[in-house]
Amino acid sequence: QVQLQESGPGLVKPSGTLSLTCAVSGGSVNNSFWWTWVRQPPGEGLEWIGEIYHTGANDYTPSLKTRVTMSVDKAKNQFSLKLDFVTAADTAIYYCAKTTRAGDAFDVWGPGTMVTVSS
Amino acid sequence: SSDLTQDRAVSVALGQTVRITCQGHSLKTYYASWYQQKPGQAPVLVIYGKNNRPSGISDRFSGSSSGDTGSLIITGAQAEDEAEYFCSSRDKTADHRVFGGGTKLTVL
Repeated sequence: QVQLQESGPGLVKPSGTLSLTCAVSGGSVNNSFWWTWVRQPPGEGLEWIGEIYHTGANDYTPSLKTRVTMSVDKAKNQFSLKLDFVTAADTAIYYCAKTTRAGDAFDVWGPGTMVTVSS
Repeated sequence: SSDLTQDRAVSVALGQTVRITCQGHSLKTYYASWYQQKPGQAPVLVIYGKNNRPSGISDRFSGSSSGDTGSLIITGAQAEDEAEYFCSSRDKTADHRVFGGGTKLTVL
């Protein structure tokens, strides 16, 4: 059973870069899943940020596309999110998740990590 | 606003049946997946595809679809079903994934 765990700084300065990693255990990032990032601002709903496949193919939500980069590290069995030029609006719980093999749902989620953007 | 529309809040009497809906153009082509989220916890997948339940999910949960609307049905709601429920599918162009705004379910 695949398990996911997010890690990264809990505090990022405005205009800086948010960098998070999701460690994959019980499976391989080389498996045929889409590795996904979702965020949730305090008291708000879920926002799909984007996803990446082990081949490097990716898809990002249009509203964040110019600031987001995702990558896969096969050697470390993890995948990562970078979000540039952050503002207070990027303050949220960030979740990593994986899709089913068919890609039609997010069947495994990490516990989430809170990131606050503040000086 | 999201390309998938959900009622903000729904209530159900203990033991009764409740339907939570998700409306969007992409649902004419794609099924919705449904997630339960309790306070302070990560979302949990409860229904996906035509009507599939992951292992460990109660058979009180089922899904259906008609036209541009997907539904999550909870039959015989229990107190532990009180949570926020999110649907997910494709955006109106079907190019990207998207979540609905969420429905807060109260079990009375």
